Amino acid sequence: DAGVTQSPTHLIKTRGQQVTLRCSPKSGHDTVSWYQQALGQGPQFIFQYYEEEERQRGNFPDRFSGHQFPNYSSELNVNALLLGDSALYLCASREGSTNTEAFFGQGTRLTVV
Amino acid sequence: AQTVTQSQPEMSVQEAETVTLSCTYDTSESDYYLFWYKQPPSRQMILVIRQEAYKQQNATENRFSVNFQKAAKSFSLKISDSQLGDAAMYFCAYRSGTGNQFYFGTGTSLTVIP
Repeated sequence: DAGVTQSPTHLIKTRGQQVTLRCSPKSGHDTVSWYQQALGQGPQFIFQYYEEEERQRGNFPDRFSGHQFPNYSSELNVNALLLGDSALYLCASREGSTNTEAFFGQGTRLTVV
Repeated sequence: AQTVTQSQPEMSVQEAETVTLSCTYDTSESDYYLFWYKQPPSRQMILVIRQEAYKQQNATENRFSVNFQKAAKSFSLKISDSQLGDAAMYFCAYRSGTGNQFYFGTGTSLTVIP
């Protein structure tokens, strides 16, 4: 079992550009959440996807959007990148809405220059 | 909104000794879960231990145990017989019993001294 996999591991973008990050959940998991972890901080919840719909959203602007595919994988899109968007982006998956353990990926380190 | 506070940015412990990491939280809910996650340099968040708020008994996982004080809204992690591999950032996290998102503290960087 590969666990939660994220791609790419690192990338560098220019201010104003758009970026797409990808997440494949752990086998058997159908719920995916995204978190932003700024340097020296704890992760902050962006949003969660279940059954291909955004179910809950944190305090992030509309520049942050996402998608979940029928195979439960997910994408995080960020438009009009700002320097402040530089962070580690973590994906977490779990099974449905039950209180099961969430598993995290190793994250994508995004640097905006 | 729920908040999680970790007041120790850095801690150190001698190998084989015991260390306690502190965490407090604020919530008006009665149904919730508390977690300690470990984040090594590999960046992956690894679940260390989990506590259900309705359980009075403190959770234990091998060398890791918690001291859950519900009235005081305190949730500390005790690591016994510390090992070099325990060195990492440790995050305390809260999740509502009815919600989906985790609320994380700012983390404690643990150094294990050989």
